[in-house]
Amino acid sequence: EDQVTQSPEALRLQEGESSSLNCSYTVSGLRGLFWYRQDPGKGPEFLFTLYSAGEEKEKERLKATLTKKESFLHITAPKPEDSATYLCAVQAERWGKFQFGAGTQVVVTP
Amino acid sequence: DVKVTQSSRYLVKRTGEKVFLECVQDMDHENMFWYRQDPGLGLRLIYFSYDVKMKEKGDIPEGYSVSREKKERFSLILESASTNQTSMYLCASSLNRVEPQHFGDGTRLSIL
Repeated sequence: EDQVTQSPEALRLQEGESSSLNCSYTVSGLRGLFWYRQDPGKGPEFLFTLYSAGEEKEKERLKATLTKKESFLHITAPKPEDSATYLCAVQAERWGKFQFGAGTQVVVTP
Repeated sequence: DVKVTQSSRYLVKRTGEKVFLECVQDMDHENMFWYRQDPGLGLRLIYFSYDVKMKEKGDIPEGYSVSREKKERFSLILESASTNQTSMYLCASSLNRVEPQHFGDGTRLSIL
């Protein structure tokens, strides 16, 4: 059965303290893996799409990487404005729907 | 930028009522989706539509229906609201089946 698991569930960081979030997945035939950021009371905001193992994408302090079993979202020198819940979703070739993980809630304190 | 607009941010309804949630996108996207989001469960797909007047069941369609009469508008209908349908409802759209989905800001629905 297809599964998406995100860890940790919650992460508390000091400003400037780099860390990584994990998204592990089991799916037959990955079409794409998507990262989103969600602020409280808002809808998810699209960040990155990764299509194949070895691919990397960067945006400001965020860098997403992909292997055949998992993806990492690295947050380098985070700032308080990086506080949010980060969601990953996978899309399998055969059904095209997105399957979301439960998310990692990140809090960055000054 | 893609704009997905949900008609209400907060809604309070009574059990047994018929509830309509409206979603409009302004980017001529082919695909539209309805999810609900609950703590610890993530986003779960209720219904989706790949074209006007087309609809497909997602993972949790029971108790819901949808309508897509125009390309830009996708409505979610709770036929007879129940307390277990209290949730955050999110609408999304995408250009096609491989492009990322873009979300509205959600409707927080409480059923009393």
